[in-house]
Amino acid sequence: EDQVTQSPEALRLQEGESSSLNCSYTVSGLRGLFWYRQDPGKGPEFLFTLYSAGEEKEKERLKATLTKKESFLHITAPKPEDSATYLCAVQARNAGNNRKLIWGLGTSLAVNP
Amino acid sequence: DGGITQSPKYLFRKEGQNVTLSCEQNLNHDAMYWYRQDPGQGLRLIYYSQIVNDFQKGDIAEGYSVSREKKESFPLTVTSAQKNPTAFYLCASSTYYPGGEYEQYFGPGTRLTVT
Repeated sequence: EDQVTQSPEALRLQEGESSSLNCSYTVSGLRGLFWYRQDPGKGPEFLFTLYSAGEEKEKERLKATLTKKESFLHITAPKPEDSATYLCAVQARNAGNNRKLIWGLGTSLAVNP
Repeated sequence: DGGITQSPKYLFRKEGQNVTLSCEQNLNHDAMYWYRQDPGQGLRLIYYSQIVNDFQKGDIAEGYSVSREKKESFPLTVTSAQKNPTAFYLCASSTYYPGGEYEQYFGPGTRLTVT
């Protein structure tokens, strides 16, 4: 069964304390992996798309990497405004025409000043 | 500014009433999607549409209906047949072409409460 698991469920950091969030997946062929940020009561905001193992993408303090089994979202020197829930979604090659995404439950990140 | 709008932000209804959630996009995207988000669960796909006048059921379509008469609009009706309608509803859109993968962009969401 296709599955996406995110860990940890929740993470609390001090401002400036770098860390990584994990998204592990089991799908029958990866078409794409997506990272989103979601603030409370708002819709997810797109961050990155990764397509193949070894690929990396960066945006400000965030860097996403991809292996054959998992993706990491590295947060360097986080600030309180980075506090949010980070969602990972995967699209399998057998997703069919609906381009269905399989979503993880997210990691809730809190950055203390 | 391009984006996706959903209205209203909060919606309250009595049990047994149908309610329609609005979703409009000006990103010129072909595909549109409706998701439901509940605490402790990942986003679940309700319906999706890849072109005007065509839409398909997602994983949890029972008790919901949609229409796609215009490229920009994809309203969702929550009917009285939906057993647990209270949830946060998210609309998304993406560029679409066969074999291509593009990210989905989300609206701000509508929180529906049915009592």
